[in-house]
Amino acid sequence: EVQLVESGGDLVQPGWSLRLSCATSGFTFDDYAMHWVRQAPGKGLEWVSGITWNSGSIAYADSVKGRFTISRDNAKNSLYLQMNSLRPEDTALYYCAKDLVGAGIDAFDLWGQGTVVTVSS
Amino acid sequence: QSALTQPASVSASPGQSITISCTGTSSDVGYYNLVSWYQHHPGKAPKLMIYEVTKRPSGVSNRFSGSKSGNTASLTISGLQAEDEADYYCCSNVDSSTLVFGGGTKLTVL
Repeated sequence: EVQLVESGGDLVQPGWSLRLSCATSGFTFDDYAMHWVRQAPGKGLEWVSGITWNSGSIAYADSVKGRFTISRDNAKNSLYLQMNSLRPEDTALYYCAKDLVGAGIDAFDLWGQGTVVTVSS
Repeated sequence: QSALTQPASVSASPGQSITISCTGTSSDVGYYNLVSWYQHHPGKAPKLMIYEVTKRPSGVSNRFSGSKSGNTASLTISGLQAEDEADYYCCSNVDSSTLVFGGGTKLTVL
C-alpha cells in the first residue's frame, strides 16, 4: 500500500526544538522529491520546505528559513523536518507530501494524514 | 513569498458549474506552467486534482478542469455534486525550488 505516515508532533514551549518524521512505503522513495506542508488552525495550506530526490536541492519558506532543516534518508525511505527555535505561529498540522518528480518541484500527488505541532507556554 | 489570491468562498447548486480563480504575478503563476489545485475535505489529507495547469491525475473526474490566462489560473468544476463541497487550494512555483499556495476557497454546494 502506498502511504506516508508522519510522526513526532507534540506540545512544546516557545524556543524549543522538535523533529518530525515521515515514513513512506509502497513507492520508490528515492525517485521523488518530498515536501512538508502545514496548516495552522483555521488557516490555509502553507508550503514549508522541499528536498529533491538526492538532497541536491533544498528550499524553505521565508517563514521558517534559518530555523527548520529538511532532510531525507533514502535507505530508510524516510523524510525529516528538524524544527528549532519554535514559535507560537508554528502551531499547525504538518503534512508530508510526495512530489510528482524527483529533480525539481511540480505537484503533490500523495499526502500523509499529518502530525500536530503545538507551540505554547 | 506572498500567497496567491483566491476568492474566500463560492457556492452553487448541484448540476451547475463554478470557476475558482487564483491570481498571482508575472513571477509565479504568469511565468511557470506549474499551477496545481488541491481539494481538501476537513480532517482528511488534501487531494491533487489538477497539475501543470491543465493535467488531471488518474482517477480524478473529468468534471474538473484547469486553465490559465496571464497571471490568473482557474479551476472549473462542472456538474457540481454534493461531494465536491470542500476547500480548494491553488499552488504555483515561485522559482525553481520554492512554492506558494493560495489562501483557499470554500466551495458550498447548496
